[in-house]
Amino acid sequence: EVQLVQSGAEVKKPGEPLKISCKGSGYIFTTYWIGWVRQMPGKGLEWMGIFYPGDSETRYSPSFQGQVTMSADKSIRTAYLQWSSLKASDTAMYYCARQNYGDSKDAFDIWGQGTMVTVSS
Amino acid sequence: DIQMTQSPSSLSASVGDRVTITCRASQSITSYLNWYQQKPGKAPKLLIYFASSLQSGVPSRFSGSGSGTDFTLTISSLQPEDFATYYCQQSHSTPRTFGQGTKVEIK
Repeated sequence: EVQLVQSGAEVKKPGEPLKISCKGSGYIFTTYWIGWVRQMPGKGLEWMGIFYPGDSETRYSPSFQGQVTMSADKSIRTAYLQWSSLKASDTAMYYCARQNYGDSKDAFDIWGQGTMVTVSS
Repeated sequence: DIQMTQSPSSLSASVGDRVTITCRASQSITSYLNWYQQKPGKAPKLLIYFASSLQSGVPSRFSGSGSGTDFTLTISSLQPEDFATYYCQQSHSTPRTFGQGTKVEIK
């Protein structure tokens, strides 16, 4: 079964660093882009960017460029999203998703269960 | 960035109703338009890609149409499990922006 499993909920203070993870299984991890999507409480979906584990190419949304860093460890089939200094406005659910290209498909076809990040003093 | 605008923002419908949601792009995206369904507390699920292609495992009551800037998601006969929020997303260019969502509620 193809799946993405994300790390658990986090509660952090403003200014703290954080790294959340997304582990892929059931497919060749290095041949699919992994995307990250933010959903603030009660709000819609925001596309943050995508990362290609095969060669570490990254494409950020301008809204998130410089605010987060995407990376991966191919050896353990895990993608990461990290912050160096959290803000209260980073409080949200974060989803990772597999970007599937091919046969005109260019969409997130597999999603992780989400990681809730709460930033509060 | 390409802006995606959905309408309506919410709607009330009954089981068995035909439901139509529209999505408009701020510039042509040819057919690079996806539709997702999200239920409360759950991750989104891909329904339709490339404007009209049904994702594997998705019921045939869901269909998509359109090209250029105007797109439609249709549910031919609304079922109880279809009450959810629906999002369009363009995959023509980066950033691959989402619409603001359409919440389908029970009448």
